[in-house]
Amino acid sequence: GQNIDQPTEMTATEGAIVQINCTYQTSGFNGLFWYQQHAGEAPTFLSYNVLDGLEEKGRFSSFLSRSKGYSYLLLKELQMKDSASYLCAVRDSNYQLIWGAGTKLIIKP
Amino acid sequence: IAGITQAPTSQILAAGRRMTLRCTQDMRHNAMYWYRQDLGLGLRLIHYSNTAGTTGKGEVPDGYSVSRANTDDFPLTLASAVPSQTSVYFCASSDTGTSRQFFGPGTRLTVL
Repeated sequence: GQNIDQPTEMTATEGAIVQINCTYQTSGFNGLFWYQQHAGEAPTFLSYNVLDGLEEKGRFSSFLSRSKGYSYLLLKELQMKDSASYLCAVRDSNYQLIWGAGTKLIIKP
Repeated sequence: IAGITQAPTSQILAAGRRMTLRCTQDMRHNAMYWYRQDLGLGLRLIHYSNTAGTTGKGEVPDGYSVSRANTDDFPLTLASAVPSQTSVYFCASSDTGTSRQFFGPGTRLTVL
């Protein structure tokens, strides 16, 4: 079966750095996405990785290792507005997105 | 209209009733999707359409139907609603089947 694993919840302090991990087992791989979802709102796109390595975009970075079936999202200089759920999704061999259940990130002052 | 709109925002429905959730996008995207999101579970694909005139089944299609008569609209119909269809429904679109997806604001549906 296909499976995406992420921690259910994480807590971090404002101004700090947090790493949210995602491991996957899917039938094929055609890219990995990270989305942010604030409570009661729609998911919004953060990053896309298809090759191994680190993609940096401002305070957010995403890393991929295809051989390990592993990705992480790194958030730096945390702000209160970063409190949200972070969704990992893998595009499988049928080009459909398989979604993890999401990691709820709580930022404390 | 800017982006993707969904209607209604929320709805309470009696079991056995028929319901259509509406989704419209103005980005001229070819591909559109319907997901449901339940607490503790990831987004699950119900149906999708890679281009106008074609549709396909996702992971959880039973009890739902879709149509794609034109590029902009992708309605989702529950023929006879059941309580297990209580969920938040998101419509999404993408330029192609391989590009990132943009999501509508969602419809919160409660079936009693």
